[in-house]
Amino acid sequence: RKEVEQDPGPFNVPEGATVAFNCTYSNSASQSFFWYRQDCRKEPKLLMSVYSSGNEDGRFTAQLNRASQYISLLIRDSKLSDSATYLCVVNRLRDTGRRALTFGSGTRLQVQP
Amino acid sequence: NAGVTQTPKFQVLKTGQSMTLQCAQDMNHNSMYWYRQDPGMGLRLIYYSASEGTTDKGEVPNGYNVSRLNKREFSLRLESAAPSQTSVYFCASSEENQGRDQPQHFGDGTRLSIL
Repeated sequence: RKEVEQDPGPFNVPEGATVAFNCTYSNSASQSFFWYRQDCRKEPKLLMSVYSSGNEDGRFTAQLNRASQYISLLIRDSKLSDSATYLCVVNRLRDTGRRALTFGSGTRLQVQP
Repeated sequence: NAGVTQTPKFQVLKTGQSMTLQCAQDMNHNSMYWYRQDPGMGLRLIYYSASEGTTDKGEVPNGYNVSRLNKREFSLRLESAAPSQTSVYFCASSEENQGRDQPQHFGDGTRLSIL
């Protein structure tokens, strides 16, 4: 099983729609969770951190379900500019005892006019 | 406000050639990272440096070496390039880990093709 799994999509939605992505992780000891956004041929950029109680940033809502080991990202009122790949990022403990971040392969979102 | 700067942005090499990818950050971050990204795959960690003077292997270190020259700079070297190293390489940095992983800030990548 991959450490971090995402549906690659693409999710094709009309402008104004609400869309949600899930991401599952395998390590129950993971403590830090993030969503990044990556535009085509660009670098990943932090979209938001994910907190235990869930958090919201404008049209974006992130939630964590520790019992089922998944995080989710909800986008309301989709804009054309939301078209991108969304990367789920989870931390893990390495053999060295240090923590490192594991990136999912991403879910592609295409918002249609 | 440059953030993380990578050079070069594009490079084409022949098999067996060597080269160094440069990365510098101006955010006074302690931790720096090198990733590669291949089509359909997530970012894979090659090497990282938790602080100046330290480096550790990531998931895919074979064929690469790194140098943490000072707090600002972290370079990645391919000693003998192979076609399997054709990829997009990203450098990233983050604040010191104070018991909680901090988000990473990325450079805009180096697109490397090896023929």
